[in-house]
Amino acid sequence: AQRVTQPEKLLSVFKGAPVELKCNYSYSGSPELFWYVQYSRQRLQLLLRHISRESIKGFTADLNKGETSFHLKKPFAQEEDSAMYYCALNTDKLIFGTGTRLQVFP
Amino acid sequence: GAVVSQHPSRVICKSGTSVKIECRSLDFQATTMFWYRQFPKQSLMLMATSNEGSKATYEQGVEKDKFLINHASLTLSTLTVTSAHPEDSSFYICSARPPTVKYGYTFGSGTRLTVV
Repeated sequence: AQRVTQPEKLLSVFKGAPVELKCNYSYSGSPELFWYVQYSRQRLQLLLRHISRESIKGFTADLNKGETSFHLKKPFAQEEDSAMYYCALNTDKLIFGTGTRLQVFP
Repeated sequence: GAVVSQHPSRVICKSGTSVKIECRSLDFQATTMFWYRQFPKQSLMLMATSNEGSKATYEQGVEKDKFLINHASLTLSTLTVTSAHPEDSSFYICSARPPTVKYGYTFGSGTRLTVV
């Protein structure tokens, strides 16, 4: 079955602390994975694609096929990072995880 | 680039009436668009895949007759909630995938439907 799991509903950290938002997937094919972010009252925005292997806003995510994971990391969280983060798996459609709310306190 | 425009952003309707939501790709052609529903503080649930020139593909448990989808052109898909009831109140979001791969999927700003 195709599935995306984000085990944490809420992650709270202080500014400057490292952040890791977990994502695991289940897919028999070669996965195409994304991280999307939804800031308060804004539309969903693409944050990262696993194919591009880039760093956006200090965030990185590495695909680990052995662990079927695509965790999102940032070494030093900022208050403006507070948002909902969704991990998504592309098959012929986009399947979302349940999302993790990141709260960064000053 | 790769913008999806969704209209209206908010709509309030009476129980039993129908509401149409439009989703337009502004600077690219989209043979396929997607419609999602998002409940408060929850994730996006895919409702259906809208295919230009053919019937939409609905996810399991989504009523085809209640949520009518039309994709008559390469830049427009519409979702009509027919005979709306209060339980249909939700946030509806459309999405499309531009041909340039780097954009991933792009999303509309959503429509908040309230049925009273």
